[in-house]
Amino acid sequence: AQKVTQAQTEISVVEKEDVTLDCVYETRDTTYYLFWYKQPPSGELVFLIRRNSFDEQNEISGRYSWNFQKSTSSFNFTITASQVVDSAVYFCALSEAGAAGNKLTFGGGTRVLVKP
Amino acid sequence: EAQVTQNPRYLITVTGKKLTVTCSQNMNHEYMSWYRQDPGLGLRQIYYSMNVEVTDKGDVPEGYKVSRKEKRNFPLILESPSPNQTSLYFCASSLSREGYHSAFFGQGTRLTVV
Repeated sequence: AQKVTQAQTEISVVEKEDVTLDCVYETRDTTYYLFWYKQPPSGELVFLIRRNSFDEQNEISGRYSWNFQKSTSSFNFTITASQVVDSAVYFCALSEAGAAGNKLTFGGGTRVLVKP
Repeated sequence: EAQVTQNPRYLITVTGKKLTVTCSQNMNHEYMSWYRQDPGLGLRQIYYSMNVEVTDKGDVPEGYKVSRKEKRNFPLILESPSPNQTSLYFCASSLSREGYHSAFFGQGTRLTVV
């Protein structure tokens, strides 16, 4: 069965600090997809990134970067030079290629609070 | 604009009073799902649909019903809501089964059952 664990429930930082969110997953499939979503205080889910299991390249998008390590089943997310607008709940999610219904399995989420 | 639209955004109801949360997508997606979000648990899939008239249970289907009579619509029905169904609900759609087609989420419906 697929499982996603986000051990950090809440992280508080001061603006301009870097923050890294941990995500560890479990799956028996060899083909799967990993996602990060942002949920700002307004409540909607904002897609940030998708990674497939065959692509272990790290990715950088502006102040965001992602470190995918298959050997440790982790897909960590770093916000560099955090800003107040980064305050949100962040979810890591996993979808197995064989999962019925295209199901996404989410971690419990990490609340990030960026203080000015 | 590609979007998934849920209504209502907020709903307070009483125990036992039937309600429907609507979901509509304009992307001609085959797959649609309902999720509920609860603190510390992330989002969990309630029901999904692979196409018109094809639906199946997700991880937490008890107390919910769905239907898929048209490709664009996937309403969530609570026949007799109970307080433990107080939650934030999301509808999602995706082009196909494969995970490389990212899911589009609706804005969410915050339901309170008193």
